[in-house]
Amino acid sequence: EVQLVESGGGLVQPGGSLRLSCAASGFAFSSYSMNWVRQAPGKGLEWVSFIGTITSTMSYADSVKGRFTISRDNAKNSLFLQMNSLRAEDTAVYYCASSLRGSAYWGQGTLVTVSS
Amino acid sequence: DIVMTQTPLSSPVTLGQPASISCRSSQSLVHSDGNTYLSWLQQRPGQPPRLLIYKISNRFSGVPDRFSGSGAGTDFTLKISRVEAEDVGVYYCMQATQFPITFGQGTRLEIE
Repeated sequence: EVQLVESGGGLVQPGGSLRLSCAASGFAFSSYSMNWVRQAPGKGLEWVSFIGTITSTMSYADSVKGRFTISRDNAKNSLFLQMNSLRAEDTAVYYCASSLRGSAYWGQGTLVTVSS
Repeated sequence: DIVMTQTPLSSPVTLGQPASISCRSSQSLVHSDGNTYLSWLQQRPGQPPRLLIYKISNRFSGVPDRFSGSGAGTDFTLKISRVEAEDVGVYYCMQATQFPITFGQGTRLEIE
């Protein structure tokens, strides 16, 4: 069974940092590109970042470029999102999702709240 | 950026009746590799998104055959042949042809 389990969310002050993790199981993680997608409370879905199977291939939404960094550890079947200089508008549930061009699996999400 | 526009934004339907959601992209979703990376997602209340359809018309594993996708270029449609109670939720179209990946605003499916 495919599983994507996010962790690392929580309450952080504006300007602070958080590191999200996504643990993958049940599929050949290293063979799949991965993404982070977020959803602000009561709002729609917003793509955040992409990383290819080759870690040199990355892409970011303009809203997070220069502040967030995506990475992966294929040996540990894990995806990460380092979030710096957090703002109130980054408050959202963050989902990891595999291969959005094809058979995409989604995790349950982890809530990030940016507030003083 | 490619803008994805869904209609309607809300769709009250009767159990057992069909439902249809349209999605239009601001530019063609045909990739240089010949594929069209248009997907449909379902988000039930309190749940994460779930993939229903990918590459226009390919039903994902475990998705009931009452869900079908069609279209080409810039115009796409998700159809539910006979709505069931478990289909209540918000449906999103998504394009992954070009970065940034973008989503429609969502269509809320409600039972009348």
